Amino acid sequence: NAGVTQTPKFRVLKTGQSMTLLCAQDMNHEYMYWYRQDPGMGLRLIHYSVGEGTTAKGEVPDGYNVSRLKKQNFLLGLESAAPSQTSVYFCASSRRKGTTSYNEQFFGPGTRLTVL
Amino acid sequence: RKEVEQDPGPFNVPEGATVAFNCTYSNSASQSFFWYRQDCRKEPKLLMSVYSSGNEDGRFTAQLNRASQYISLLIRDSKLSDSATYLCAVNYQGGGYQKVTFGTGTKLQVIP
Repeated sequence: NAGVTQTPKFRVLKTGQSMTLLCAQDMNHEYMYWYRQDPGMGLRLIHYSVGEGTTAKGEVPDGYNVSRLKKQNFLLGLESAAPSQTSVYFCASSRRKGTTSYNEQFFGPGTRLTVL
Repeated sequence: RKEVEQDPGPFNVPEGATVAFNCTYSNSASQSFFWYRQDCRKEPKLLMSVYSSGNEDGRFTAQLNRASQYISLLIRDSKLSDSATYLCAVNYQGGGYQKVTFGTGTKLQVIP
């Protein structure tokens, strides 16, 4: 049981390049989330999904897109990377509403992204 | 006012000491509360949920004060391994929408 995994672990991009971050979970969780963490800012929610085929905007969605084609995967895309998107990105998942401990979040190990 | 606020610290305490952190939240309709631990360059991991009546897990005690809108974490007999950043998280649900807001974290350094 791997929990939540993220690929890649590290990436350096040039301004204007695009990339996709992949998050996978094997816990059969309904909810999945993408956060970014910056010094002094804490974890900020980018986008989230409450189920396969559905996504919603979080606190800081601009410049990012997401897709949840399969229940176990949640992809985060940067179409045209900017230096302001340099950050550590964490994916998380949690159980469906109504189940016990449904809002405990399990995090992946993170992706460190630098945009030059 | 931030939705969830924590003192960033650092709290430098000697081994064996007792240390307490508070976390204030602004949404009085918040429903559930958590403490996460985050080691340097690692992901956050759930330390404990915070229940209305307060709860204890070994050396860790969590309390909720709804009237004053804060949660607290007490660590007794601090160990070197407790050195980490402690994040509080507050969950609000309504109208099919769930929102978890994290504090920026309180850094704890336990000194030999």
